[in-house]
Amino acid sequence: DIVMTQSPDSLAVSLGERATINCKSSQSVLYTSNNRNYLAWYQQKPGQPPKLLIYWASTRESGVPDRFSGSGSGTDFTLAISGLQAADVAVYYCQQYLSTPYTFGQGTKLDIK
Amino acid sequence: QITLKESGPTLVKPTQTLTLTCTFSGFSLSTSGVGVGWIRQPPGKALEWLTLIYWDDDKRYSPSLKSRLTIIKDTSKNQVVLTMTNMDPVDTATYYCAHSNGGNPVFDYWGQGTLVTVSS
Repeated sequence: DIVMTQSPDSLAVSLGERATINCKSSQSVLYTSNNRNYLAWYQQKPGQPPKLLIYWASTRESGVPDRFSGSGSGTDFTLAISGLQAADVAVYYCQQYLSTPYTFGQGTKLDIK
Repeated sequence: QITLKESGPTLVKPTQTLTLTCTFSGFSLSTSGVGVGWIRQPPGKALEWLTLIYWDDDKRYSPSLKSRLTIIKDTSKNQVVLTMTNMDPVDTATYYCAHSNGGNPVFDYWGQGTLVTVSS
């Protein structure tokens, strides 16, 4: 299994500032045949299902504000949220979809400082 | 507008079999590239992918749970059914069904989830 490890487990950032969440995979999720990273990011607010934010490591899902950006390749990935808003308080998960089982990270809880 | 909704028992006893139904609208599971998956989340814990069925009836299972899981689709009813045998208290979780597209297990639409408690 590919193990996904996120850091930190939780963080608190001031409104308007930038939040950065890291995700590391135990094996590369870069498929060299198409040069794509099989990595997605989700946001989950309390009592709600997850919401897809980013796929292919850096492609924003339709309707997701450009304050959310994804980067990285191979085994190391980052989700950045700029201009933090109160509505961004949530738990964020990365997921690899290169190979089964399609594993998620343990989640990172984002709060307002 | 794509919607999915999970239904099934909220309480099952240990050793029983769980059957959950995902009823969806706004897409067809006979369209190339489309899939429906199941993901669960124990209270206060992380997401765990369970299984996925594609438009062409290709099925993927989590290896650690494969012996206990079955996924089937009924395209005419717009439903996907998950069965999980030999339920245990550690299987207590919110079970979500979710839509994927493009032949990739990225889940862009999710149901609200259903909490299943395993207890005698």
